[in-house]
Amino acid sequence: DTEVTQTPKHLVMGMTNKKSLKCEQHMGHRAMYWYKQKAKKPPELMFVYSYEKLSINESVPSRFSPECPNSSLLNLHLHALQPEDSALYLCASSQGRQGKNTEAFFGQGTRLTVV
Amino acid sequence: QQPVQSPQAVILREGEDAVINCSSSKALYSVHWYRQKHGEAPVFLMILLKGGEQKGHEKISASFNEKKQQSSLYLTASQLSYSGTYFCGTEYSGYGGATNKLIFGTGTLLAVQP
Repeated sequence: DTEVTQTPKHLVMGMTNKKSLKCEQHMGHRAMYWYKQKAKKPPELMFVYSYEKLSINESVPSRFSPECPNSSLLNLHLHALQPEDSALYLCASSQGRQGKNTEAFFGQGTRLTVV
Repeated sequence: QQPVQSPQAVILREGEDAVINCSSSKALYSVHWYRQKHGEAPVFLMILLKGGEQKGHEKISASFNEKKQQSSLYLTASQLSYSGTYFCGTEYSGYGGATNKLIFGTGTLLAVQP
């Protein structure tokens, strides 16, 4: 099983709403990532969890709050978003062995629209 | 810190070859290559590690020049299925080796025509 599953696939939310994006993998990977991708742009790194601890936060606004409840799950909590936050949100995972990186597997993404 | 790719776009006929370049301003620990088709997730193609180790796709090859902080992806005898946007993903060296900080390059749009 080399699958990363993201839910929901599409999400429309108002600027005052609170919602969560979910990501799950069962490959035993210990590094998990959130990326944001705007149309015709490369994926932009937001957060990295390594062994269930937040290891990288790329100066992401606090209206985005990541959570890693266990080694298989990654959530992204959304609150008071702006229309410019509308994008494709991608989750990825990799083995993340200390001192050596391996390839990242991506989920299909959540297409988020903020109205 | 974002790696720069060239060319930005390339159009090929089936069977032609292409080279995509990725250049970084910082020392690299590894270089990844991904292909993303419209509306889909990026798919891993190849990884090249500092020191020469690499693994990836059978029909696609790549090189990694650590001194120049550059990598190139070689697509030979292109097929229609090769169309998509190609991204290099770079990871910079940290204390103890990999940092798991995977940054994507600017992207190269490849279109293969019949």
